[in-house]
Amino acid sequence: AQTVTQSQPEMSVQEAETVTLSCTYDTSESDYYLFWYKQPPSRQMILVIRQEAYKQQNATENRFSVNFQKAAKSFSLKISDSQLGDAAMYFCAYRSDKSNGANSKLTFGKGITLSVRP
Amino acid sequence: SAVISQKPSRDICQRGTSLTIQCQVDSQVTMMFWYRQQPGQSLTLIATANQGSEATYESGFVIDKFPISRPNLTFSTLTVSNMSPEDSSIYLCSVSGTPSSYNEQFFGPGTRLTVL
Repeated sequence: AQTVTQSQPEMSVQEAETVTLSCTYDTSESDYYLFWYKQPPSRQMILVIRQEAYKQQNATENRFSVNFQKAAKSFSLKISDSQLGDAAMYFCAYRSDKSNGANSKLTFGKGITLSVRP
Repeated sequence: SAVISQKPSRDICQRGTSLTIQCQVDSQVTMMFWYRQQPGQSLTLIATANQGSEATYESGFVIDKFPISRPNLTFSTLTVSNMSPEDSSIYLCSVSGTPSSYNEQFFGPGTRLTVL
């Protein structure tokens, strides 16, 4: 079974600074997807970024980028130019790439609470 | 992405009663899932809602407690039966296999359930 580990329960960053959120995972599969989700106090889960395991290039979405290290099974999220609206809980998630629909479920880490200081 | 709505958005229920949560998507999707998020915790998958057949439940979750329906490709319901205070959680509907983003999973706004 796959596991996702987020060992930092909380982090804080100054507005306009850069912060990196860590995530490691364990799997025996070679094809999979990794995601970062954001959950603000409104509790709406918002997809931040996606990384396909077969791609060597790290995914980037505006101020959000990842550092994907497949051999180390590491998938960190970097938030640049942090904004007050970035304050939320962030979840790292894993999804198998098997074609069987039953394997499409997400496995989540415990999450990390990010606070942004003005 | 898909637009997902859930009803009710929140409810306060008495012990021993049941609540049915509805999930509606604005487009046909391949997969629909139900997750539970206990206060301050991560998300745990309850089951995968299969269109036209019985749901697939994860370990620790049973059909008698969490019956699920999925009559078509845009709608599903989750019932929390014979509720106890331990069922107080946020319940989230999720979908994947949308026409524009097949490999991504999107979430509804959640239903906050409090059981007294």
